[in-house]
Amino acid sequence: SQQGEEDPQALSIQEGENATMNCSYKTSINNLQWYRQNSGRGLVHLILIRSNEREKHSGRLRVTLDTSKKSSSLLITASRAADTASYFCATEGGAQKLVFGQGTRLTINP
Amino acid sequence: NAGVTQTPKFRVLKTGQSMTLLCAQDMNHEYMYWYRQDPGMGLRLIHYSVGEGTTAKGEVPDGYNVSRLKKQNFLLGLESAAPSQTSVYFCASRSVGQGRQETQYFGPGTRLLVL
Repeated sequence: SQQGEEDPQALSIQEGENATMNCSYKTSINNLQWYRQNSGRGLVHLILIRSNEREKHSGRLRVTLDTSKKSSSLLITASRAADTASYFCATEGGAQKLVFGQGTRLTINP
Repeated sequence: NAGVTQTPKFRVLKTGQSMTLLCAQDMNHEYMYWYRQDPGMGLRLIHYSVGEGTTAKGEVPDGYNVSRLKKQNFLLGLESAAPSQTSVYFCASRSVGQGRQETQYFGPGTRLLVL
């Protein structure tokens, strides 16, 4: 069974708008990571937030983590057509293994 | 650096046939992983390895075997393929140790179709 559940499953917005994706998980974690997958490609790491952090920024990306609610969100600001992809959250507990959510499919319309 | 490479890119098998998927990384990473991704799903861990000569089961190990004879290579074997193993297979690696980065680096994937 998968640890993370992502919401929404699909999101379609206009270029320039902000996109927000949410991830919920079930057990305690060491860190939570977000990955992007372009169609037919492997996953690319975007950002990692540790369990003792609440917010992290990287360029147009902003990630928040609420360990009391076991949830995280990924915000992409000023979206571009190139941001069209699937986005996955992944949690790491012990044993250096990642457990992935089912992903959010993001479409940016020109 | 080539990063993580996978061979082959695409394969069609008949039920009952066997095959081996090869993953190679040139980043001197200790840990390596095999995942499968089914349509509309996230990745599920099949097997992983924390070092040369060691392997461990992941979430969905049945029907697969792995070997890590060399640090840079991680092989995934299907002894008797079944249609349920039709999927896209991804390999990943990561480093450990002081100042370790928890990021996993992924290969481009192998599409497997079992008829």
